[in-house]
Amino acid sequence: DAGVIQSPRHEVTEMGQEVTLRCKPISGHNSLFWYRQTMMRGLELLIYFNNNVPIDDSGMPEDRFSAKMPNASFSTLKIQPSEPRDSAVYFCASRARGGVSYNEQFFGPGTRLTVL
Amino acid sequence: QQPVQSPQAVILREGEDAVINCSSSKALYSVHWYRQKHGEAPVFLMILLKGGEQKGHEKISASFNEKKQQSSLYLTASQLSYSGTYFCGTEPAGSARQLTFGSGTQLTVLP
Repeated sequence: DAGVIQSPRHEVTEMGQEVTLRCKPISGHNSLFWYRQTMMRGLELLIYFNNNVPIDDSGMPEDRFSAKMPNASFSTLKIQPSEPRDSAVYFCASRARGGVSYNEQFFGPGTRLTVL
Repeated sequence: QQPVQSPQAVILREGEDAVINCSSSKALYSVHWYRQKHGEAPVFLMILLKGGEQKGHEKISASFNEKKQQSSLYLTASQLSYSGTYFCGTEPAGSARQLTFGSGTQLTVLP
């Protein structure tokens, strides 16, 4: 199994530009999570999908952030326009179907975003 | 609310033991433990469920006190490979199955 795949692994952009982060969950997993990690705020949940449907997006910082999951094998997190304070490592994680809590989350390698 | 982890950092020698604590202000359904090495993604270690069920790493143990809403991770006879940042993730009772992570405990094992 390839694990959770994220792209790009590194992204450097200028303030005001649009940024799109991509995630391919593990095949068969029905829950997908987007996290942001910074030194100041730690690991924060941004949004959570179950069966491709957004369940909780209360962690999305503001309207500049949007996430989609058009099918079971692909999700995107978009920031438009990007700001320097968005600089962070963004992780995608997936979890096996069943909806039971005793299944662990598998994290992707992350995308390190730098907004200049 | 974010669970509180303690200590924030610990340094030990190979072979020594360590305990990392995680405390929540909410009633919990489960506690998850992850370890993250520098520049890498968090990796699953252990899940503890309300009612006593556990699933996880053979060489790492943990406890979950549902009444006190606390969990502890026990690292015995530590190895160099145990170094990293340990996070607890809590799943509140009745939640939609997402985790809230603590701020992490940085563990350094010296030879």
